[in-house]
Amino acid sequence: NAGVTQTPKFQVLKTGQSMTLQCAQDMNHEYMSWYRQDPGMGLRLIHYSVGAGITDQGEVPNGYNVSRSTTEDFPLRLLSAAPSQTSVYFCASSPYRGQKETQYFGPGTRLLVL
Amino acid sequence: AQSVTQLDSQVPVFEEAPVELRCNYSSSVSVYLFWYVQYPNQGLQLLLKYLSGSTLVKGINGFEAEFNKSQTSFHLRKPSVHISDTAEYFCAVGGNTGGFKTIFGAGTRLFVKA
Repeated sequence: NAGVTQTPKFQVLKTGQSMTLQCAQDMNHEYMSWYRQDPGMGLRLIHYSVGAGITDQGEVPNGYNVSRSTTEDFPLRLLSAAPSQTSVYFCASSPYRGQKETQYFGPGTRLLVL
Repeated sequence: AQSVTQLDSQVPVFEEAPVELRCNYSSSVSVYLFWYVQYPNQGLQLLLKYLSGSTLVKGINGFEAEFNKSQTSFHLRKPSVHISDTAEYFCAVGGNTGGFKTIFGAGTRLFVKA
């Protein structure tokens, strides 16, 4: 049981490039989300999904796209990278709907946009 | 709207001393409160959570937190810290408003000195 996995661990992009951050979980969790972590700002929700085929926006969705074609995978796409997207990105999952649930986090992807 | 304020950005403490990390929240509805810990270069993991019932919640690694509704606080405590407790600690709130959003505080960096 690997839990939540994220790839790559570290990425450097040039402004304007696109890329996809991968996230997968093997716990059959219904709910998955993407956060970005910036110094002094905690974690901010980018997008989330309540099940395969269903996604919704969080606090800071601009510049990011997501899709959820399977229960296991929830990739985050940066359409045209900007320096403001330099951050650490965390994917998380939880078994059920609702804000009582514990979230399980991946190890993170560090992204540097030059 | 819900929000979380962690009152200290950094807390230095000597090994074996007690520590309290402070968290205040605001919400107009019932809340669920969490503390997560992030060790260096890792994702977040749950320390403890309050859903209902007893206001004193015990978590892993000897941590506990007390829910105080009148003070809208959820402070984290440990009577005697260890070097291995050095990490960043995040308070988070989920409200009973539907949807799937947990709001995180900015984090408190606990630094335990020998």
